[in-house]
Amino acid sequence: GAVVSQHPSWVICKSGTSVKIECRSLDFQATTMFWYRQFPKQSLMLMATSNEGSKATYEQGVEKDKFLINHASLTLSTLTVTSAHPEDSSFYICSANRGPPGSSGANVLTFGAGSRLTVL
Amino acid sequence: AQRVTQPEKLLSVFKGAPVELKCNYSYSGSPELFWYVQYSRQRLQLLLRHISRESIKGFTADLNKGETSFHLKKPFAQEEDSAMYYCALLRGGNKLTFGTGTQLKVEL
Repeated sequence: GAVVSQHPSWVICKSGTSVKIECRSLDFQATTMFWYRQFPKQSLMLMATSNEGSKATYEQGVEKDKFLINHASLTLSTLTVTSAHPEDSSFYICSANRGPPGSSGANVLTFGAGSRLTVL
Repeated sequence: AQRVTQPEKLLSVFKGAPVELKCNYSYSGSPELFWYVQYSRQRLQLLLRHISRESIKGFTADLNKGETSFHLKKPFAQEEDSAMYYCALLRGGNKLTFGTGTQLKVEL
């Protein structure tokens, strides 16, 4: 159980275009999902927390107009990189809490396989 | 500020040798710590968390508040343990701060 699916796994786009990445919880409901960014040989950096039915909360230094997050249902969160530029090229990873607040799985994250974005 | 430090980027050991992956943290509150592992071509997955106090795949980690450490240990390394290991600190109720990771390579 507790599988998170991320799509696409890789995408190449031209500079100036927008790219949408989907994150789905396949067998559980996720009121909260998280979006991370990982540069080569570096750690995962939390970009934002996606909350179902409300606005995402962004970490300091992350442009919310650049990285649009929508969490329209309990099983789907999307990250849209708007007007992408080469510096946005990175590995984007989503994750979700396995269980609701207060449960044993509340603070345990299930990760997607990641999406590699290359902006030409 | 919350911070997780993994001082070793790469740790190479021989099969059967003991393993210790270091993790130190900085956090003003009561910490909750995790170890996540990423095997080659696989996604990141939970290895263990300190509140569970369990041993997974022979790995254990003890929270030492005095030394602000949460080192990951295994008495006898196996080839299949080769992977990237991330130490993580829970903050703000539900957010994880990750260390930079340690690549463990177990050689025959």
